[in-house]
Amino acid sequence: AQSVTQLGSHVSVSEGALVLLRCNYSSSVPPYLFWYVQYPNQGLQLLLKYTTGATLVKGINGFEAEFKKSETSFHLTKPSAHMSDAAEYFCAVSAETSGSRLTFGEGTQLTVNP
Amino acid sequence: DVKVTQSSRYLVKRTGEKVFLECVQDMDHENMFWYRQDPGLGLRLIYFSYDVKMKEKGDIPEGYSVSREKKERFSLILESASTNQTSMYLCASSSNIAGGPSDTQYFGPGTRLTVL
Repeated sequence: AQSVTQLGSHVSVSEGALVLLRCNYSSSVPPYLFWYVQYPNQGLQLLLKYTTGATLVKGINGFEAEFKKSETSFHLTKPSAHMSDAAEYFCAVSAETSGSRLTFGEGTQLTVNP
Repeated sequence: DVKVTQSSRYLVKRTGEKVFLECVQDMDHENMFWYRQDPGLGLRLIYFSYDVKMKEKGDIPEGYSVSREKKERFSLILESASTNQTSMYLCASSSNIAGGPSDTQYFGPGTRLTVL
């Protein structure tokens, strides 16, 4: 079975500052890792995903994440926050043993202050 | 663009009522999912389906059932609604093109259900 832990249910940054959202996973087999974003009153949409190959993954809206197997982490970063980045972010994991099922973390609410 | 639609954005029901939540996707996806979203708990999988008339229990299936009579439509049923089923319900779909675990899931806008 897989699991995900997101450190920090709320993160607040100033506009223009670095965004760092933390995600650690647990999986006994090679994981597939995802970050989804949920804007207010909307469903989730994919930001980026790691399947195999390059461990630094670039996504939409300037976000990127790095898969670090030794640290079992998949932290999400953006060099410069924008007001429009305010949303809830979810890390998720799947694996060959789980088929199409995703296991989600608890979510991190990002606030961007002017 | 993939579109996943849910029949209602907001729904208010009374305890004991039978509730139907409908989800339709327009991309001929094989897989469909129902999640429940609660603050601090993230998304939890209720049921999923990988083909017409096929269903699998997720992590929290108690008190729920599902129906998939057509490929594009996946229904979540609350046989007898209870107050602890007040929540946001999200539907998602994915294809099997990439083989399953790496497929992107596409989400609907959600139905916020309140059970009084």
